[in-house]
Amino acid sequence: RKEVEQDPGPFNVPEGATVAFNCTYSNSASQSFFWYRQDCRKEPKLLMSVYSSGNEDGRFTAQLNRASQYISLLIRDSKLSDSATYLCVVNGGGYQKVTFGIGTKLQVIP
Amino acid sequence: ETGVTQSPTHLIKTRGQQVTLRCSSQSGHNTVSWYQQALGQGPQFIFQYYREEENGRGNFPPRFSGLQFPNYSSELNVNALELDDSALYLCASSLKGTDEKLFFGSGTQLSVL
Repeated sequence: RKEVEQDPGPFNVPEGATVAFNCTYSNSASQSFFWYRQDCRKEPKLLMSVYSSGNEDGRFTAQLNRASQYISLLIRDSKLSDSATYLCVVNGGGYQKVTFGIGTKLQVIP
Repeated sequence: ETGVTQSPTHLIKTRGQQVTLRCSSQSGHNTVSWYQQALGQGPQFIFQYYREEENGRGNFPPRFSGLQFPNYSSELNVNALELDDSALYLCASSLKGTDEKLFFGSGTQLSVL
């Protein structure tokens, strides 16, 4: 089983739609969680941290479920500029082994 | 901009050659991590440097080695290049002891022919 699993997509959604991505992780001792955004062949950029209490940043909402070991990202009112690959990232602690998922590709269509 | 710079941006090498990639970390950050990203894959952890010492390593052979300098900049060296080493190499800086969010440079695209 992969340490961090994501559906690679692509998810093709119309502008204005709501889309959700999930990610599962295998290490129950993982300590911190993030979503990164990556545009085509550019560097990943931090989108948001993920907390058990859930957190929101504008149109983006992230949630962590430790019991089920999954992380989610919800994007409301999708914009064309949201088209990118969204990487789920898990920090296993210890010597800070940070593991990335394969990424989920989102394409927002006019 | 993250303040993390990498050089060169692109590089073409042939099988068997050696390569050195460079990274300058964000001001105030003391930790540098290196990642390899093949096409269509997520970044794979190579190793991390903290206080000029290797502080964790992923599943990469010894021909991948690195250095960190007193100013926290870093180098990634790859010996005996193989075709499968063709990838985007990403450097990320962070501050140990905090939530350790990663801030990436724009990467070096390495092609091995």
